[in-house]
Amino acid sequence: AQSVTQLDSQVPVFEEAPVELRCNYSSSVSVYLFWYVQYPNQGLQLLLKYLSGSTLVESINGFEAEFNKSQTSFHLRKPSVHISDTAEYFCAVSGSARQLTFGSGTQLTVLP
Amino acid sequence: NAGVTQTPKFRVLKTGQSMTLLCAQDMNHEYMYWYRQDPGMGLRLIHYSVGEGTTAKGEVPDGYNVSRLKKQNFLLGLESAAPSQTSVYFCASSLGQNSYNEQFFGPGTRLTVL
Repeated sequence: AQSVTQLDSQVPVFEEAPVELRCNYSSSVSVYLFWYVQYPNQGLQLLLKYLSGSTLVESINGFEAEFNKSQTSFHLRKPSVHISDTAEYFCAVSGSARQLTFGSGTQLTVLP
Repeated sequence: NAGVTQTPKFRVLKTGQSMTLLCAQDMNHEYMYWYRQDPGMGLRLIHYSVGEGTTAKGEVPDGYNVSRLKKQNFLLGLESAAPSQTSVYFCASSLGQNSYNEQFFGPGTRLTVL
């Protein structure tokens, strides 16, 4: 069995400030890790994923996440956020069952 | 490419009524999924399909049935709707050969059961 814990349900941050959205997972097998983003009234879109290799993965819009096996974490960071980053962010884990298990989500609100 | 589409976008039902949600994908994906999204609970898997003619139960299957008669379509049925089924329903699809295949999501169906 696998599970995902997103430690913060709401994260308000001012524009141009850095942000970290925390994600911890548990699994008895090797996993693949994902961050999805959901803008208001839309479906989920893949932001970035860790499959293997370098533990630091990046997205095209400036987000990055680091896989830490010893701490079973996959935190999402961005050094400077924009108003347009306001959205809900979901961490997800996929193991051998080819299914995604999602965390409960973190609402990121960027304030002017 | 339209990607993953869902019909309808909104629906209001009375307790005990039935309905079918339609999901269609034009990416020739093998795997398809139905999730429900509730506040503070993330997405929970209802049912999924690993190919045409096959379906399997997910985490919260009770009260729902599914069918995958064609590869591109995945139907979710509610035989007797209950207020606890008020939720936003998302369909997704993936290539399916590996567990790291990205899932592509539809825009969602907002269902209210009175």
